[in-house]
Amino acid sequence: DVKVTQSSRYLVKRTGEKVFLECVQDMDHENMFWYRQDPGLGLRLIYFSYDVKMKEKGDIPEGYSVSREKKERFSLILESASTNQTSMYLCASSFEVVGTDTQYFGPGTRLTVL
Amino acid sequence: DAKTTQPPSMDCAEGRAANLPCNHSTISGNEYVYWYRQIHSQGPQYIIHGLKNNETNEMASLIITEDRKSSTLILPHATLRDTAVYYCIVRVGTDMRFGAGTRLTVKP
Repeated sequence: DVKVTQSSRYLVKRTGEKVFLECVQDMDHENMFWYRQDPGLGLRLIYFSYDVKMKEKGDIPEGYSVSREKKERFSLILESASTNQTSMYLCASSFEVVGTDTQYFGPGTRLTVL
Repeated sequence: DAKTTQPPSMDCAEGRAANLPCNHSTISGNEYVYWYRQIHSQGPQYIIHGLKNNETNEMASLIITEDRKSSTLILPHATLRDTAVYYCIVRVGTDMRFGAGTRLTVKP
């Protein structure tokens, strides 16, 4: 079974704080993704990574950065948290395949920025 | 632009088959049909996917029409734990865009 874990299920931070969200997968997947999910807006891709130390911007990278120092770990960083970053954050991972990939999601981190 | 159309909600009796329809009339030849589900406040769970042929795994069956313009996800013996929002997605590459989905409620 693919297992994607995220460091926290619930997190409360204050405006201006630096926030680290950690994601770990145990299936040796090349690809890792960070999304946020908001009511009425569906899933939006923040950043993704095809390999260690590689990163690509998604649809909404502003206000976020990422780090992938090891294949199994992909971190999302909010440099200075703002209230509009209150959201459910989802990490996913997948194998690189021809055609399309099957992404497996973690349990999510519900972040509240006060 | 929504690539798929699903009913907003459905009910199913526990132990019966749940058949969830999805229309994707503009699907391209290289796009796959994927199904995920999301139980409240949890991450999406992969269920099944297919390109042209019908598929079955331990969770569900996926029936894709010959013209590929629609599909049906079948949960053969629904349980209360299958209550969730079910998302039908057509995709290629790493693109992952969820629509509104179908809220399935399994009732005792």
